[in-house]
Amino acid sequence: EPEVTQTPSHQVTQMGQEVILRCVPISNHLYFYWYRQILGQKVEFLVSFYNNEISEKSEIFDDQFSVERPDGSNFTLKIRSTKLEDSAMYFCASSELAGQLGTYEQYFGPGTRLTVT
Amino acid sequence: KNQVEQSPQSLIILEGKNCTLQCNYTVSPFSNLRWYKQDTGRGPVSLTIMTFSENTKSNGRYTATLDADTKQSSLHITASQLSDSASYICVVSDLGNTPLVFGKGTRLSVIA
Repeated sequence: EPEVTQTPSHQVTQMGQEVILRCVPISNHLYFYWYRQILGQKVEFLVSFYNNEISEKSEIFDDQFSVERPDGSNFTLKIRSTKLEDSAMYFCASSELAGQLGTYEQYFGPGTRLTVT
Repeated sequence: KNQVEQSPQSLIILEGKNCTLQCNYTVSPFSNLRWYKQDTGRGPVSLTIMTFSENTKSNGRYTATLDADTKQSSLHITASQLSDSASYICVVSDLGNTPLVFGKGTRLSVIA
């Protein structure tokens, strides 16, 4: 069964460094998403991406964040200058389509645990 | 402010027993409501998706109900198994396909 994959599974970085989290969505999916989950807290939406551009983003997704689809398979989240509060689990998700009623299934990857020291 | 509240926060049940988890939301306008299962350290896995016109949706031993008038949903788990131990998250979307509002989840522990 197709699945969303993410690398690395765990990333440790120093405050102020740039990190790139990588995701390979399911191959025939057109919509891609990033979410984060701070330890012990709820999952939070960051950004959605379609047709090579951001379709929605949350307040969390400020200028320190960027997303890219550098080729036909990868979808990346870049944090330009990491802060301690960026420590969290980052989940990538993808869906085949999206619609006004929004009933298309979103498939989540296993996550990347980012630790900023 | 759009919010999703879940109860109870945690629950312990014996294997084989049934349980019901609750979700109340204030998201408006309402598009759809999803229940996800999240194992520790893993990504959420979708159980059910319901739009405003649906009252109930089943997926094996999981049955979700929705009352769009009272903005309440429940997830009923029948004949629980040890593998049902996980967090169950209610997610409500206002528009489009992006689940924008997540609940904090109910942590379910099924014990032998």
